[in-house]
Amino acid sequence: DTGVSQDPRHKITKRGQNVTFRCDPISEHNRLYWYRQTLGQGPEFLTYFQNEAQLEKSRLLSDRFSAERPKGSFSTLEIQRTEQGDSAMYLCASSSSGTPMGTQYFGPGTRLLVL
Amino acid sequence: GQQLNQSPQSMFIQEGEDVSMNCTSSSIFNTWLWYKQDPGEGPVLLIALYKAGELTSNGRLTAQFGITRKDSFLNISASIPSDVGIYFCAGPFDEAGSYQLTFGKGTKLSVIP
Repeated sequence: DTGVSQDPRHKITKRGQNVTFRCDPISEHNRLYWYRQTLGQGPEFLTYFQNEAQLEKSRLLSDRFSAERPKGSFSTLEIQRTEQGDSAMYLCASSSSGTPMGTQYFGPGTRLLVL
Repeated sequence: GQQLNQSPQSMFIQEGEDVSMNCTSSSIFNTWLWYKQDPGEGPVLLIALYKAGELTSNGRLTAQFGITRKDSFLNISASIPSDVGIYFCAGPFDEAGSYQLTFGKGTKLSVIP
């Protein structure tokens, strides 16, 4: 299966620690997205890359959050000085510029719990 | 921000029944997407709609893109236990050419065997 993969699937950390998540998109997809999902809500957009360029960032992405996609393939999302409010599912999605806008394929997510 | 309103929020149905759920917006969308999410997993794309009035099927699922471009519905026929999950509508609010998807809050479907 060559779908979107994310690692780790689960992460428990203490408040104030830094965490990093990885996303590997579908291999031919040049667009990569990060979303955050809290309980009872739909996913909320965080940021978007086209190849290695970060083209959009949501106001949800505070200065404690940083995302990179250095070679235009996998991406990392780092949260510094975690807070309890950061507890959520972090979802990665990818799409190809050859497909219609909006057709994004999601990975299984990384569930973060900040104690 | 843009909002998508999904209804109903939850529904309990008997196995074999048909299901209908819908999604409305105060703004025009040029694409409507329907996703299904199982507990602890990411959303899985079910159906994508790209044209007003379009009616698209995927097995027992049928979705339509409303003529006004402000609504969409999803029907599931002859429900089975594995249809259980949360169904989300989504669309790119691309007024400024954005690629970010806006999601509804979901319709939680429970199927009673």
